[in-house]
Amino acid sequence: DADVTQTPRNRITKTGKRIMLECSQTKGHDRMYWYRQDPGLGLRLIYYSFDVKDINKGEISDGYSVSRQAQAKFSLSLESAIPNQTALYFCATSDSGSETQYFGPGTRLLVL
Amino acid sequence: KQEVTQIPAALSVPEGENLVLNCSFTDSAIYNLQWFRQDPGKGLTSLLLIQSSQREQTSGRLNASLDKSSGRSTLYIAASQPGDSATYLCAVRGDYKLSFGAGTTVTVRA
Repeated sequence: DADVTQTPRNRITKTGKRIMLECSQTKGHDRMYWYRQDPGLGLRLIYYSFDVKDINKGEISDGYSVSRQAQAKFSLSLESAIPNQTALYFCATSDSGSETQYFGPGTRLLVL
Repeated sequence: KQEVTQIPAALSVPEGENLVLNCSFTDSAIYNLQWFRQDPGKGLTSLLLIQSSQREQTSGRLNASLDKSSGRSTLYIAASQPGDSATYLCAVRGDYKLSFGAGTTVTVRA
């Protein structure tokens, strides 16, 4: 089984809808991240969490919210989806004692 | 704001040729630099991590160098194989986050 899983893997939604992307990890890491990737651009950080009670905004948090339900689960919500939120979304985890981040397979989101 | 650039955006080489991928960054105040590989549908995999105090790291056929003062890193892949076809991303770590380049998409022709 994969160490970092994301659901759904693909999602099509309409403008104005609320959607949630979920991330789960079995690596026992305390740190979790949400990124988005757009064609021709690098990954950009949306939110990050260093433990269950620590949530921080990244560089592009507007229009997004997150919830850290447990050490192993970190969800990303789009309260009212808009077309420019169409992107590939990645969840990642890391251990506080290591620099390496481990990525999930990504969720491809299309907002019509 | 840290800007990370990777040139070229795409590269196609015959099998067996050595690959040279370039990464440049604007702010030399970094903790480390990482090279990732991205395969379609499989997310990113970390290949090499170079601490800011190091000049290079090696893993098998891969070698990455870092010149922090000039804001450059190079990833060398020796004797390329078709299985090396992927997108390679570099990322530099600042205070709390990674800043990524857009990547170089590599195709190795059999």
